[in-house]
Amino acid sequence: SQQGEEDPQALSIQEGENATMNCSYKTSINNLQWYRQNSGRGLVHLILIRSNEREKHSGRLRVTLDTSKKSSSLLITASRAADTASYFCATCMEYGNKLVFGAGTILRVKS
Amino acid sequence: DTGVSQDPRHKITKRGQNVTFRCDPISEHNRLYWYRQTLGQGPEFLTYFQNEAQLEKSRLLSDRFSAERPKGSFSTLEIQRTEQGDSAMYLCASSLGSPSDYEQYFGPGTRLTVT
Repeated sequence: SQQGEEDPQALSIQEGENATMNCSYKTSINNLQWYRQNSGRGLVHLILIRSNEREKHSGRLRVTLDTSKKSSSLLITASRAADTASYFCATCMEYGNKLVFGAGTILRVKS
Repeated sequence: DTGVSQDPRHKITKRGQNVTFRCDPISEHNRLYWYRQTLGQGPEFLTYFQNEAQLEKSRLLSDRFSAERPKGSFSTLEIQRTEQGDSAMYLCASSLGSPSDYEQYFGPGTRLTVT
Protein backbone atom coordinates (compact mmCIF):
# COMPACT_ATOMS: atom_id res chain seq x y z
CA SER A 1 0.00 0.00 0.00
CA GLN A 2 1.14 3.54 -0.58
CA GLN A 3 1.60 5.77 2.43
CA GLY A 4 1.92 9.12 0.74
CA GLU A 5 -0.82 10.92 -1.10
CA GLU A 6 0.05 13.78 -3.41
CA ASP A 7 -2.19 16.68 -4.15
CA PRO A 8 -3.10 17.77 -6.76
CA GLN A 9 -3.05 14.70 -9.00
CA ALA A 10 -2.27 16.97 -11.96
CA LEU A 11 -1.15 20.55 -12.36
CA SER A 12 -0.82 22.66 -15.49
CA ILE A 13 0.94 26.04 -15.37
CA GLN A 14 2.67 28.53 -17.64
CA GLU A 15 6.42 28.77 -17.86
CA GLY A 16 7.74 31.19 -15.27
CA GLU A 17 4.99 30.47 -12.74
CA ASN A 18 5.56 28.65 -9.46
CA ALA A 19 4.30 25.11 -8.91
CA THR A 20 3.35 23.73 -5.51
CA MET A 21 2.71 20.07 -4.81
CA ASN A 22 1.65 18.61 -1.50
CA CYS A 23 2.18 15.24 0.11
CA SER A 24 0.45 13.74 3.13
CA TYR A 25 1.47 10.59 4.94
CA LYS A 26 0.21 8.45 7.76
CA THR A 27 2.95 7.18 10.07
CA SER A 28 6.01 8.61 11.82
CA ILE A 29 8.94 9.02 9.50
CA ASN A 30 12.70 9.26 9.55
CA ASN A 31 12.76 11.37 6.39
CA LEU A 32 10.74 12.30 3.33
CA GLN A 33 12.21 12.41 -0.15
CA TRP A 34 10.99 13.91 -3.41
CA TYR A 35 11.68 12.32 -6.79
CA ARG A 36 10.98 13.35 -10.37
CA GLN A 37 10.10 10.99 -13.21
CA ASN A 38 10.11 12.01 -16.82
CA SER A 39 7.70 10.15 -19.06
CA GLY A 40 8.50 6.44 -19.22
CA ARG A 41 11.84 6.75 -17.45
CA GLY A 42 13.42 6.05 -14.08
CA LEU A 43 13.16 8.35 -11.10
CA VAL A 44 15.63 11.07 -10.19
CA HIS A 45 16.18 12.10 -6.58
CA LEU A 46 15.50 15.77 -5.91
CA ILE A 47 15.77 16.39 -2.20
CA LEU A 48 15.69 14.65 1.20
CA ILE A 49 14.30 16.33 4.30
CA ARG A 50 14.71 14.76 7.72
CA SER A 51 11.99 14.62 10.36
CA ASN A 52 13.79 17.20 12.48
CA GLU A 53 14.03 19.69 9.61
CA ARG A 54 11.28 22.10 8.64
CA GLU A 55 12.51 23.52 5.36
CA LYS A 56 15.15 22.77 2.78
CA HIS A 57 16.24 24.44 -0.45
CA SER A 58 18.00 23.16 -3.54
CA GLY A 59 18.27 25.55 -6.48
CA ARG A 60 14.71 26.40 -7.57
CA LEU A 61 13.25 23.79 -5.21
CA ARG A 62 11.91 24.48 -1.74
CA VAL A 63 10.59 21.67 0.45
CA THR A 64 8.78 22.06 3.73
CA LEU A 65 7.89 19.40 6.26
CA ASP A 66 5.26 19.62 9.00
CA THR A 67 5.46 16.46 11.08
CA SER A 68 2.55 17.54 13.28
CA LYS A 69 0.29 17.56 10.23
CA LYS A 70 2.17 14.70 8.55
CA SER A 71 2.52 16.71 5.38
CA SER A 72 5.16 18.10 3.05
CA SER A 73 5.14 20.49 0.14
CA LEU A 74 7.43 20.89 -2.86
CA LEU A 75 7.65 24.33 -4.45
CA ILE A 76 9.28 24.78 -7.84
CA THR A 77 9.91 28.45 -8.56
CA ALA A 78 10.15 30.04 -12.01
CA SER A 79 9.11 26.82 -13.72
CA ARG A 80 10.48 25.78 -17.09
CA ALA A 81 9.10 23.50 -19.79
CA ALA A 82 11.81 20.99 -18.81
CA ASP A 83 10.19 20.68 -15.36
CA THR A 84 7.29 18.82 -17.01
CA ALA A 85 7.31 15.44 -15.26
CA SER A 86 5.66 13.41 -12.51
CA TYR A 87 6.73 14.23 -8.98
CA PHE A 88 6.60 11.68 -6.16
CA CYS A 89 7.07 11.95 -2.45
CA ALA A 90 8.52 8.93 -0.68
CA THR A 91 8.70 8.31 3.03
CA CYS A 92 11.26 6.37 5.00
CA MET A 93 9.79 5.24 8.29
CA GLU A 94 11.71 5.27 11.53
CA TYR A 95 14.09 2.27 11.49
CA GLY A 96 12.86 1.65 7.94
CA ASN A 97 14.84 0.05 5.17
CA LYS A 98 12.67 0.98 2.25
CA LEU A 99 10.88 3.92 0.67
CA VAL A 100 7.10 4.07 0.35
CA PHE A 101 5.98 6.21 -2.58
CA GLY A 102 2.82 8.17 -3.15
CA ALA A 103 0.85 8.13 -6.40
CA GLY A 104 2.48 11.33 -7.67
CA THR A 105 1.56 14.68 -9.13
CA ILE A 106 1.75 15.16 -12.90
CA LEU A 107 3.13 18.62 -13.66
CA ARG A 108 2.84 20.16 -17.10
CA VAL A 109 4.64 23.43 -17.77
CA LYS A 110 3.44 25.15 -20.93
CA SER A 111 5.83 27.34 -22.88
CA ASP B 1 27.82 5.97 -18.13
CA THR B 2 28.11 4.90 -14.51
CA GLY B 3 24.42 4.95 -13.59
CA VAL B 4 22.08 2.06 -12.90
CA SER B 5 21.34 0.03 -16.01
CA GLN B 6 18.54 -2.43 -16.70
CA ASP B 7 18.07 -4.98 -19.43
CA PRO B 8 15.93 -5.44 -21.40
CA ARG B 9 14.15 -2.10 -21.61
CA HIS B 10 11.03 -3.70 -23.01
CA LYS B 11 9.71 -7.25 -22.88
CA ILE B 12 6.57 -8.64 -24.45
CA THR B 13 5.69 -12.17 -23.45
CA LYS B 14 2.76 -14.52 -23.62
CA ARG B 15 0.88 -15.49 -20.48
CA GLY B 16 2.44 -18.49 -18.83
CA GLN B 17 5.99 -17.82 -20.02
CA ASN B 18 8.91 -17.10 -17.72
CA VAL B 19 10.84 -13.84 -17.94
CA THR B 20 14.08 -12.63 -16.37
CA PHE B 21 15.26 -9.05 -15.95
CA ARG B 22 18.73 -7.86 -15.08
CA CYS B 23 19.88 -4.83 -13.11
CA ASP B 24 23.44 -3.53 -12.87
CA PRO B 25 23.75 -1.09 -9.96
CA ILE B 26 26.29 1.65 -9.45
CA SER B 27 29.44 -0.29 -8.63
CA GLU B 28 30.14 1.00 -5.11
CA HIS B 29 26.51 0.72 -3.97
CA ASN B 30 25.87 -2.18 -1.60
CA ARG B 31 22.08 -1.83 -1.54
CA LEU B 32 19.87 -2.81 -4.46
CA TYR B 33 16.09 -2.45 -4.64
CA TRP B 34 13.39 -3.74 -6.97
CA TYR B 35 10.12 -1.86 -7.45
CA ARG B 36 7.06 -2.34 -9.60
CA GLN B 37 5.18 0.59 -11.07
CA THR B 38 1.82 0.49 -12.80
CA LEU B 39 0.28 3.30 -14.83
CA GLY B 40 -0.68 6.31 -12.77
CA GLN B 41 0.89 4.96 -9.58
CA GLY B 42 4.12 5.43 -7.73
CA PRO B 43 6.71 2.66 -7.46
CA GLU B 44 5.83 -0.16 -5.06
CA PHE B 45 8.61 -1.86 -3.15
CA LEU B 46 9.22 -5.51 -4.02
CA THR B 47 12.50 -6.49 -2.37
CA TYR B 48 15.97 -5.31 -1.46
CA PHE B 49 19.49 -6.69 -1.09
CA GLN B 50 22.34 -5.67 1.15
CA ASN B 51 25.31 -6.98 -0.80
CA GLU B 52 24.27 -10.53 -1.76
CA ALA B 53 21.75 -11.00 1.07
CA GLN B 54 18.05 -10.53 0.32
CA LEU B 55 16.84 -8.87 3.51
CA GLU B 56 13.21 -7.98 2.89
CA LYS B 57 10.46 -9.07 0.53
CA SER B 58 7.09 -7.43 0.03
CA ARG B 59 3.87 -9.39 0.18
CA LEU B 60 3.53 -8.31 -3.47
CA LEU B 61 6.33 -10.73 -4.27
CA SER B 62 4.38 -13.93 -4.79
CA ASP B 63 6.09 -17.30 -5.05
CA ARG B 64 6.20 -16.84 -8.82
CA PHE B 65 8.77 -14.07 -8.31
CA SER B 66 12.37 -14.68 -7.36
CA ALA B 67 15.28 -12.30 -7.14
CA GLU B 68 18.97 -12.94 -6.76
CA ARG B 69 22.12 -10.91 -6.38
CA PRO B 70 25.02 -13.32 -6.69
CA LYS B 71 28.34 -11.91 -5.48
CA GLY B 72 26.61 -8.69 -4.48
CA SER B 73 26.92 -7.11 -7.90
CA PHE B 74 24.20 -7.35 -10.55
CA SER B 75 20.75 -8.66 -9.72
CA THR B 76 18.13 -10.64 -11.60
CA LEU B 77 14.38 -10.69 -11.13
CA GLU B 78 12.56 -13.71 -12.55
CA ILE B 79 8.83 -14.04 -12.96
CA GLN B 80 7.56 -17.55 -13.61
CA ARG B 81 4.25 -18.38 -15.29
CA THR B 82 3.53 -14.76 -16.10
CA GLU B 83 0.01 -13.40 -15.75
CA GLN B 84 -1.57 -10.35 -17.36
CA GLY B 85 -1.55 -8.65 -13.97
CA ASP B 86 2.24 -8.76 -14.02
CA SER B 87 2.26 -6.16 -16.80
CA ALA B 88 4.07 -3.17 -15.32
CA MET B 89 7.32 -1.24 -15.27
CA TYR B 90 9.95 -2.97 -13.13
CA LEU B 91 12.41 -0.51 -11.66
CA CYS B 92 15.74 -1.19 -10.05
CA ALA B 93 17.50 1.24 -7.74
CA SER B 94 20.76 1.22 -5.83
CA SER B 95 22.18 3.20 -2.94
CA LEU B 96 25.17 3.44 -0.62
CA GLY B 97 23.07 2.48 2.37
CA SER B 98 19.76 2.76 4.16
CA PRO B 99 17.16 5.24 2.88
CA SER B 100 17.32 6.81 6.31
CA ASP B 101 20.62 8.30 5.20
CA TYR B 102 21.00 7.89 1.44
CA GLU B 103 19.12 8.66 -1.74
CA GLN B 104 18.36 5.96 -4.26
CA TYR B 105 19.50 5.99 -7.87
CA PHE B 106 17.04 4.47 -10.30
CA GLY B 107 17.57 2.68 -13.56
CA PRO B 108 15.41 3.37 -16.64
CA GLY B 109 13.18 0.37 -15.93
CA THR B 110 12.01 -2.70 -17.82
CA ARG B 111 8.50 -2.44 -19.21
CA LEU B 112 6.81 -5.83 -19.22
CA THR B 113 3.72 -6.53 -21.30
CA VAL B 114 2.01 -9.88 -20.83
CA THR B 115 -0.39 -10.76 -23.63
